[in-house]
Amino acid sequence: GAVVSQHPSRVICKSGTSVKIECRSLDFQATTMFWYRQFPKQSLMLMATSNEGSKATYEQGVEKDKFLINHASLTLSTLTVTSAHPEDSSFYICSARGGGGFDEQFFGPGTRLTVL
Amino acid sequence: GNSVTQMEGPVTLSEEAFLTINCTYTATGYPSLFWYVQYPGEGLQLLLKATKADDKGSNKGFEATYRKETTSFHLEKGSVQVSDSAVYFCALSDRPGGGNKLTFGTGTQLKVEL
Repeated sequence: GAVVSQHPSRVICKSGTSVKIECRSLDFQATTMFWYRQFPKQSLMLMATSNEGSKATYEQGVEKDKFLINHASLTLSTLTVTSAHPEDSSFYICSARGGGGFDEQFFGPGTRLTVL
Repeated sequence: GNSVTQMEGPVTLSEEAFLTINCTYTATGYPSLFWYVQYPGEGLQLLLKATKADDKGSNKGFEATYRKETTSFHLEKGSVQVSDSAVYFCALSDRPGGGNKLTFGTGTQLKVEL
């Protein structure tokens, strides 16, 4: 099946620093990638949708200047949490969808971000 | 807006027991419904889906029936195994394959013991 990887799997950083999370589709070309956030005991919440070569579309309430998304190639999307604060600590999950009318998302294993 | 409610866990069962995880939804229009499973250390995987009322999705012994009248999509399995231990997420989408925005429930952790 289609495989999506994320790196790093967990990261701890100091408040005020920026953190970059990578999402890669390993065996297919992902024309669309999604970024989700999950708080403990809560559901996955979609943060943004990105199409290769285009600006990301952010969900209501998500700060686009804080959560920078780049989808520069068909196999890589990055999420950068800028000037991270403790309230940004969360589990971030990406998913990817292929092109050509393919209609299923494949999920990465997630990245645990802890901001001290 | 759309929302999904599923039973809280953890659910702890003995091997070969019957499993039910309840899921109800609120949505406009006619969504497609999904169950995803997440094994430890892995990404969510599509377990089964149903795209219209009265459809039954099934996979690996798991089943769920799209009930429009009760807005439900409960997950069942007749005899669970230790290897079924995972977190199960109910979700809905406006696309049949779930390739667009997914609305998830909070997830239910299942623990199966010998």
